[in-house]
Amino acid sequence: QQQVKQSPQSLIVQKGGISIINCAYENTAFDYFPWYQQFPGKGPALLIAIRPDVSEKKEGRFTISFNKSAKQFSLHIMDSQPGDSATYFCAASTNQGGSEKLVFGKGTKLTVNP
Amino acid sequence: NAGVTQTPKFQVLKTGQSMTLQCAQDMNHEYMSWYRQDPGMGLRLIHYSVGAGITDQGEVPNGYNVSRSTTEDFPLRLLSAAPSQTSVYFCASSALAGTSVIYEQYFGPGTRLTVT
Repeated sequence: QQQVKQSPQSLIVQKGGISIINCAYENTAFDYFPWYQQFPGKGPALLIAIRPDVSEKKEGRFTISFNKSAKQFSLHIMDSQPGDSATYFCAASTNQGGSEKLVFGKGTKLTVNP
Repeated sequence: NAGVTQTPKFQVLKTGQSMTLQCAQDMNHEYMSWYRQDPGMGLRLIHYSVGAGITDQGEVPNGYNVSRSTTEDFPLRLLSAAPSQTSVYFCASSALAGTSVIYEQYFGPGTRLTVT
């Protein structure tokens, strides 16, 4: 079963707008929630990450909002720019049972129009 | 630092052929992993390793073998290629804190494999 569900599959936003990508998970043992950004022809790169002891983390124009009770987290990109056009993956991992695995969502292709 | 390097960048195989995808990192990371990326499927873990001599299966291990004889290298072997293995393969590495915490994973540039 899919452990991390990501939506939407694709997103088109105008320059200067807000991009919002959502993820939901089932495994309450997950304790690390990163977002990765991938440009065409490149490998994914860590964008921002959060642990469940905080509800929000902000780095520049990128913010993760985390709702532990709802088992959901989201990425907000403020003042979206054409250079933000990429595929974004949410992910989750857990320490439990020595399980050193990162589980990824299926990705969201973001297009920011100029 | 070169980071994570992968070779080859592109490869075409015929069904039944074997090959090895190479992955190396120069960051002295304990943890290394292989993912495959297919359209609409995200990144799926094939195999991973928490140190030299230690490997384990991920979500989609069938048809793939790995070994980890050094900290730096983590090759992925396809024993008998099948069209279903057509994909983009990414190698990644990260440091471990304690025994099982994954911090930032650094990905290589990928190998695009086509099996005909």
